Amino acid sequence: SQQGEEDPQALSIQEGENATMNCSYKTSINNLQWYRQNSGRGLVHLILIRSNEREKHSGRLRVTLDTSKKSSSLLITASRAADTASYFCATDLGQGGSEKLVFGKGTKLTVNP
Amino acid sequence: NAGVMQNPRHLVRRRGQEARLRCSPMKGHSHVYWYRQLPEEGLKFMVYLQKENIIDESGMPKERFSAEFPKEGPSILRIQQVVRGDSAAYFCASSPQISTGYGYTFGSGTRLTVV
Repeated sequence: SQQGEEDPQALSIQEGENATMNCSYKTSINNLQWYRQNSGRGLVHLILIRSNEREKHSGRLRVTLDTSKKSSSLLITASRAADTASYFCATDLGQGGSEKLVFGKGTKLTVNP
Repeated sequence: NAGVMQNPRHLVRRRGQEARLRCSPMKGHSHVYWYRQLPEEGLKFMVYLQKENIIDESGMPKERFSAEFPKEGPSILRIQQVVRGDSAAYFCASSPQISTGYGYTFGSGTRLTVV
């Protein structure tokens, strides 16, 4: 089945550095969303980018979408220890009224103080 | 606004028992989605419900699993005769309407352990 794939699987950086995570997918999408999950917790929605958008910003987050390459990237600038979490991309295929999301396996980000 | 409420947070069941997981969507949300997450994995879609209707159950195992979202009360995910492979975190998400372009609000999950 179609699924987003994030890379890298794990990323370790120092506080203050930028973190870039990538996501690739296989079929046409309605939109792509990024979520954060702290260990043992639920998912928190970060940002949504529609298929007709190329770039979006929210605070220290920058998301790009390249539909020709079926890929997206999430950039976290000036990272903080509190950014340590797993980050998932999820694609909304917008099929026939069913709004299910297809998640990748995630990137585990560690920001060292 | 209390957000999406799931309970219990942790549930331990012996093989063969039944597990009932509850999800109360955010106030004003009429769409509920259930996802399952295995360790070190992403979330896998199970079922999408609206009040009194199952819209998409393509991710539900064909046996032992059922879901409902009654007119009154929370959505229930029911797993009968649980097996060790059912051990996972089960997340519920809700949204106010389809195709709003907004991300979903997730609950904190129920962690099911089958012993």
